[in-house]
Amino acid sequence: GDSVTQMEGPVTLSEEAFLTINCTYTATGYPSLFWYVQYPGEGLQLLLKATKADDKGSNKGFEATYRKETTSFHLEKGSVQVSDSAVYFCALNDYKLSFGAGTTVTVRA
Amino acid sequence: GAGVSQTPSNKVTEKGKYVELRCDPISGHTALYWYRQSLGQGPEFLIYFQGTGAADDSGLPNDRFFAVRPEGSVSTLKIQRTERGDSAVYLCASSLEQGLDTEAFFGQGTRLTVV
Repeated sequence: GDSVTQMEGPVTLSEEAFLTINCTYTATGYPSLFWYVQYPGEGLQLLLKATKADDKGSNKGFEATYRKETTSFHLEKGSVQVSDSAVYFCALNDYKLSFGAGTTVTVRA
Repeated sequence: GAGVSQTPSNKVTEKGKYVELRCDPISGHTALYWYRQSLGQGPEFLIYFQGTGAADDSGLPNDRFFAVRPEGSVSTLKIQRTERGDSAVYLCASSLEQGLDTEAFFGQGTRLTVV
């Protein structure tokens, strides 16, 4: 079945550091790919998405490119802030969402 | 409503008891999903409704779990004869329709603890 594997955490960074969270997927069809984020005390919310190969999703300085050849959707941000501290989930949507285990990111001032 | 609402936010129950968890989706959203999230894990799919009918219940772990959406809006997840292994955060999500690129909006979840 469909599945998502993402980089294990936790990840601790200093402010203005570069962040990468790796995500790879296995799917039989042609799913859309998503990154969801969960800030402390809040519910899951969509960060960005890409619906087909070579699409780039972007939001709040984060980017991820749908790479069909490597079945990947790595999340990147060039300069993180303390407010980016959260749990990040990679997910694929083949008519229902399948999530990775989540990566906890802590950004220190 | 403004967002997906789940009640209660916390539920502690004794092993063997019956519980009901409620989800009130965003008004007008026809698709509704239930997920379960254990500590340190990502959400796992349980069941999906399109309107009033359960379109996919392949994620329900066993026949102790059941969900309804009688009028195509509010949904209730029902767990019979609860076990300690059922302890988790139960998440509800809704979307305007089911689709590959449709955004799902999540509630804050119900934290269920079975003691």
